[in-house]
Amino acid sequence: SYVLTQPPSVSVAPGKTARITCGGTNIGTYSVHWYQQKPGQAPVLVIYYDTNRPSGIPERFSGSNSGNTATLTISTVEAGDEADYYCQVWHTSSSRYVFGTGTKVTVL
Amino acid sequence: QVHLVESGGGVVQPGRSLRLSCAASGFTFSLSAMHWVRQAPGKGLEWVAVTWYDGSEKFYADSVKGRFTISRDNSKNTLYLQMNTLRAEDTAVYFCVRDRGSGGGSGTDVWGQGTTVTVSS
Repeated sequence: SYVLTQPPSVSVAPGKTARITCGGTNIGTYSVHWYQQKPGQAPVLVIYYDTNRPSGIPERFSGSNSGNTATLTISTVEAGDEADYYCQVWHTSSSRYVFGTGTKVTVL
Repeated sequence: QVHLVESGGGVVQPGRSLRLSCAASGFTFSLSAMHWVRQAPGKGLEWVAVTWYDGSEKFYADSVKGRFTISRDNSKNTLYLQMNTLRAEDTAVYFCVRDRGSGGGSGTDVWGQGTTVTVSS
């Protein structure tokens, strides 16, 4: 089965940049989606198809994907960005979504 | 306003069955693929199953294949998950989720608030 690996945690000071990686074999050949989940809430889509932001998502959120690593970048981090973040791909050969292991972002 | 509202969760003994429902509103339900995603207490997200917009295709996670059945009634704007032979490891919050496309793969942009399933004797 296809595995997506994320760092368990990332810490960042307010105003700085947070980068969350998502590693998977040849992930660059897949489309990656990213979700933000705050405690007690349902996840929210923040990036789809590697680089696209849904309406209402700040420009501070951006994504990239190449080779074996996809990255979610949060610029000018705010306290409200503190949450768990998950990457996701559609594994075409098995017709299944696969989620990454999740990363807890802490704003110092 | 786009909404997904799950129901049917509860406490059930191992080996028993439960059926979850998800009522959709505010969008054309029959044009969207729909998923169930679950989250065990303190754990990450786990995709469970998908049904294509017209119900023609259904796919399952290995962990539930053969025990769970996803279905939809487009005339009632409702998604279902029939869960049989439940195990302790099925304990989780179950989310009803809309795909951005008519099949899977486009990302999921609408999530319900979830319904809790607890499997315990």
